[in-house]
Amino acid sequence: SQTIHQWPATLVQPVGSPLSLECTVEGTSNPNLYWYRQAAGRGLQLLFYSVGIGQISSEVPQNLSASRPQDRQFILSSKKLLLSDSGFYLCAWDMAGGTEAFFGQGTRLTVV
Amino acid sequence: AQRVTQPEKLLSVFKGAPVELKCNYSYSGSPELFWYVQYSRQRLQLLLRHISRESIKGFTADLNKGETSFHLKKPFAQEEDSAMYYCALGAGYQKVTFGTGTKLQVIP
Repeated sequence: SQTIHQWPATLVQPVGSPLSLECTVEGTSNPNLYWYRQAAGRGLQLLFYSVGIGQISSEVPQNLSASRPQDRQFILSSKKLLLSDSGFYLCAWDMAGGTEAFFGQGTRLTVV
Repeated sequence: AQRVTQPEKLLSVFKGAPVELKCNYSYSGSPELFWYVQYSRQRLQLLLRHISRESIKGFTADLNKGETSFHLKKPFAQEEDSAMYYCALGAGYQKVTFGTGTKLQVIP
């Protein structure tokens, strides 16, 4: 069966520090991978998606970047965190745009 | 371009009252529509999809291509239905697009 792992679950980082959130998928090949930010009142905002290794599409301009070094690994990064980067981040995968998406447990990031 | 609109950020209903969570979409081709739900302290998960035409936990949703809508309905709300609900649009091999979500609050 397919599973998705996302870590860490919670993270507190000082302003200006780097960030690396990791997401891995098991039990499937060549998934589409997504990073979302979930915010109260703003819902689910797509940050990045990837249809293959090294292929990253950015949906919104921001202080974050994403990379896909392996088929089932998706990393969300920042060189210098801002206070506004605080939020709840979700990783997800699906096999194509028209199928069910599966979500990780999420990471609560607090920038102090 | 794909777009999903959920006009209500918060919907409060009394237990036993009917529920309708609105969703409208914009897509030029043949869409696939989904409803996802996130209960407190649980991960976001699929509730139902239009192609299966099934009823999950008493919820149903009918795709209305003329009105480009996919509203989620339940005749009698229960307290355990309180959650965040997202409407989503998938189209072929393009990325899935989510609405901004509606928080359903069922008042005992």
